[in-house]
Amino acid sequence: SAVISQKPSRDICQRGTSLTIQCQVDSQVTMMFWYRQQPGQSLTLIATANQGSEATYESGFVIDKFPISRPNLTFSTLTVSNMSPEDSSIYLCSVTTGRHSTDTQYFGPGTRLTVL
Amino acid sequence: LAKTTQPISMDSYEGQEVNITCSHNNIATNDYITWYQQFPSQGPRFIIQGYKTKVTNEVASLFIPADRKSSTLSLPRVSLSDTAVYYCLVGDPLDDKIIFGKGTRLHILP
Repeated sequence: SAVISQKPSRDICQRGTSLTIQCQVDSQVTMMFWYRQQPGQSLTLIATANQGSEATYESGFVIDKFPISRPNLTFSTLTVSNMSPEDSSIYLCSVTTGRHSTDTQYFGPGTRLTVL
Repeated sequence: LAKTTQPISMDSYEGQEVNITCSHNNIATNDYITWYQQFPSQGPRFIIQGYKTKVTNEVASLFIPADRKSSTLSLPRVSLSDTAVYYCLVGDPLDDKIIFGKGTRLHILP
């Protein structure tokens, strides 16, 4: 298993600013993912964070808006840039210690972002 | 990636067995079926995974018929703490991602 922490747990930000969310894992993992979840909705995959290379983004998400870093096997950051109220959501980090995306994914507690 | 269809919501009572069925008519040969549980204000948690027939663990059972076009998550003797959203996912291990569907909101009543 893996224990994941996210910082901050919540934040209220002004339109046009940026926020960086950190995801820290207590052990080395193979794959790291970032999801967005609107209140009462399902999870939408933003991107896969790749160690040492550019993240792989899903359709509708771009690097300029959601830059991602993964400098090592236990840490990743997601930045929400030039925020607007539409970016208000819960952002979740998940990891797997397996080799496949279908292996058990462990999720962090999420970061609740409100943009005014 | 195969699309899944689940009931939007279900109600049940404490002590009952709850069965949540997921349809995945276009499931591919290599696809596995996975269920996650999400409590309010928490990230999803893995419950169970299977490929065919029946899988059982300490939390739930997963029934998969021979044609694999559907699956049923069975929760024995539910309690109030089982109130959560349950997601059925279908995916190929060789794919680089999994996709969450809309989920089933299960509400357990006293």
